[in-house]
Amino acid sequence: SAVISQKPSRDICQRGTSLTIQCQVDSQVTMMFWYRQQPGQSLTLIATANQGSEATYESGFVIDKFPISRPNLTFSTLTVSNMSPEDSSIYLCSGQGAEYEKLFFGSGTQLSVL
Amino acid sequence: DQQVKQNSPSLSVQEGRISILNCDYTNSMFDYFLWYKKYPAEGPTFLISISSIKDKNEDGRFTVFLNKSAKHLSLHIVPSQPGDSAVYFCAASALRRGSTLGRLYFGRGTQLTVWP
Repeated sequence: SAVISQKPSRDICQRGTSLTIQCQVDSQVTMMFWYRQQPGQSLTLIATANQGSEATYESGFVIDKFPISRPNLTFSTLTVSNMSPEDSSIYLCSGQGAEYEKLFFGSGTQLSVL
Repeated sequence: DQQVKQNSPSLSVQEGRISILNCDYTNSMFDYFLWYKKYPAEGPTFLISISSIKDKNEDGRFTVFLNKSAKHLSLHIVPSQPGDSAVYFCAASALRRGSTLGRLYFGRGTQLTVWP
């Protein structure tokens, strides 16, 4: 099973600032994704991180707010830009290996915006 | 619009008894279903899955049942153990080209508490 390291595990940020979350997988994965879990809500897909090209964003999420990079098959970053209290959430990265049911998750980043 | 629904936010069960977690979905295109378990401060971990060509899949103490006509699935844990206490997420997807998993849609999760 792949192991995904995600950092930071938590952060408290001021309104208007930006935070970059890093995700490192210990083996190559075909797909990488970023999810958000707002309090009491389900996991919502933000975007698919594409290696060497622009991420594919889901409805309601835009690149200016959530820029994503994936320079290689094992690493990705998500930036939460110009943060507001509504961005307070858990952000999770995930990877999908060759076996389609094996979607692995990082431990998550608990973000609180004051 | 919530395509995968877990209507019970919490469930409390005594150790040794059966835990039944329920999940409903609305999209008839979904043909692959998964359950994930999440402990505090950890990411979700894959637990068990089922394809729409089956109505039951079993793995040790965990069994998932699928009722396609009712668009309903359930996870049974027998016997329940205190270590099973976690949030359980139901997820659904439509397989692409028969084997590649499409986007996962998650329910809001059910907090299971197993007490001694």
